Amino acid sequence: AQSVAQPEDQVNVAEGNPLTVKCTYSVSGNPYLFWYVQYPNRGLQFLLKYITGDNLVKGSYGFEAEFNKSQTSFHLKKPSALVSDSALYFCAVRLNYGGSQGNLIFGKGTKLSVKP
Amino acid sequence: NAGVTQTPKFQVLKTGQSMTLQCAQDMNHEYMSWYRQDPGMGLRLIHYSVGAGITDQGEVPNGYNVSRSTTEDFPLRLLSAAPSQTSVYFCASNLAGHSYEQYFGPGTRLTVT
Repeated sequence: AQSVAQPEDQVNVAEGNPLTVKCTYSVSGNPYLFWYVQYPNRGLQFLLKYITGDNLVKGSYGFEAEFNKSQTSFHLKKPSALVSDSALYFCAVRLNYGGSQGNLIFGKGTKLSVKP
Repeated sequence: NAGVTQTPKFQVLKTGQSMTLQCAQDMNHEYMSWYRQDPGMGLRLIHYSVGAGITDQGEVPNGYNVSRSTTEDFPLRLLSAAPSQTSVYFCASNLAGHSYEQYFGPGTRLTVT
């Protein structure tokens, strides 16, 4: 069965330090991988995605993520965290084949807290 | 573009009442989905649609109905509300194709007493 794991419920980082939010996946084929961010009382916003090609993808607000096929991981990173990055982050996976829309499967989310 | 819009933002129901959560998108997206978000459980798919007139069940469809008569609208109906349906509901849409990201509405916070 397909699944996505975000092993940390919460990540705490000091402002200016690098941050990493972890994501691992389990699928039977080649995945499409996504990161979303949710600010309090808001809907999810798309950050970045891996489809094919370069394993390092860059997205909105200075975030990037590295696809590692051998470790089945897609960790979200940012070189220098901002207090405004504090939010809930979701990793999601979708298979790249299939006649249906290939629904997104979401991880349970990681709360990122950046302190001044 | 307004993107994906949802109404109402908040709703309180009594057990057994019915209601419809509205969702509309103006991006001409073929695919639309409904999710519920509960603490510690991420987002779970309720129903989805790959085009007007076509709907299918997701992971947690019981107690919910959907229809898709137009490309723009995808309402979610609660037939007989139960306290277990207390949640935040999100509607999302995307272009056809597995590589496309979903766009989410602002959500409806539903409380069933």
